[in-house]
Amino acid sequence: EPEVTQTPSHQVTQMGQEVILRCVPISNHLYFYWYRQILGQKVEFLVSFYNNEISEKSEIFDDQFSVERPDGSNFTLKIRSTKLEDSAMYFCASTGTPAYEQYFGPGTRLTVT
Amino acid sequence: GESVGLHLPTLSVQEGDNSIINCAYSNSASDYFIWYKQESGKGPQFIIDIRSNMDKRQGQRVTVLLNKTVKHLSLQIAATQPGDSAVYFCAENHTGRRALTFGSGTRLQVQP
Repeated sequence: EPEVTQTPSHQVTQMGQEVILRCVPISNHLYFYWYRQILGQKVEFLVSFYNNEISEKSEIFDDQFSVERPDGSNFTLKIRSTKLEDSAMYFCASTGTPAYEQYFGPGTRLTVT
Repeated sequence: GESVGLHLPTLSVQEGDNSIINCAYSNSASDYFIWYKQESGKGPQFIIDIRSNMDKRQGQRVTVLLNKTVKHLSLQIAATQPGDSAVYFCAENHTGRRALTFGSGTRLQVQP
């Protein structure tokens, strides 16, 4: 069964450093998403991406964040200058059209020290 | 603002019993609802979804009920098994949006 994959599973970085989180969505999906989950809290939407551009973003997704689909398979989330409060699980998700169900990857745990 | 919330943070059931997990939402424009299961250290796993033109949908051992009048959603799990132990999230979306708004989660504990 096709699945969303994410790398790395755990990333430790120092405050102020740049990180890139990588995702490989399900191959025939067209809509891609990033969500985050701070430990013990609910999942929060960050950004959605379709047709090589951002289609929707939340207040969390400020200028420190960017997304890119550098090739036909990868989808990345970059945090330019990490802050302590960026520590969370980051989930990538994808969905085909016209289905709404979003399939999530296993997540990347980001720890900012 | 819109919100999706859950009534109970933890639900403990005996193996073999039926489980009911509840969720309330506040956005009248919500027209799509989805339940996810999240096991420790893993990403949310799709369980079942329902659109607002339906009030019930059944899957394998799971049923989702939607009451639009009181903005309430429930997930029923039949014959709960130890493998069902996880945190369950409801989420909603409405036409024109792709972002899912998640509730705060209910932890289901299945006692053997």
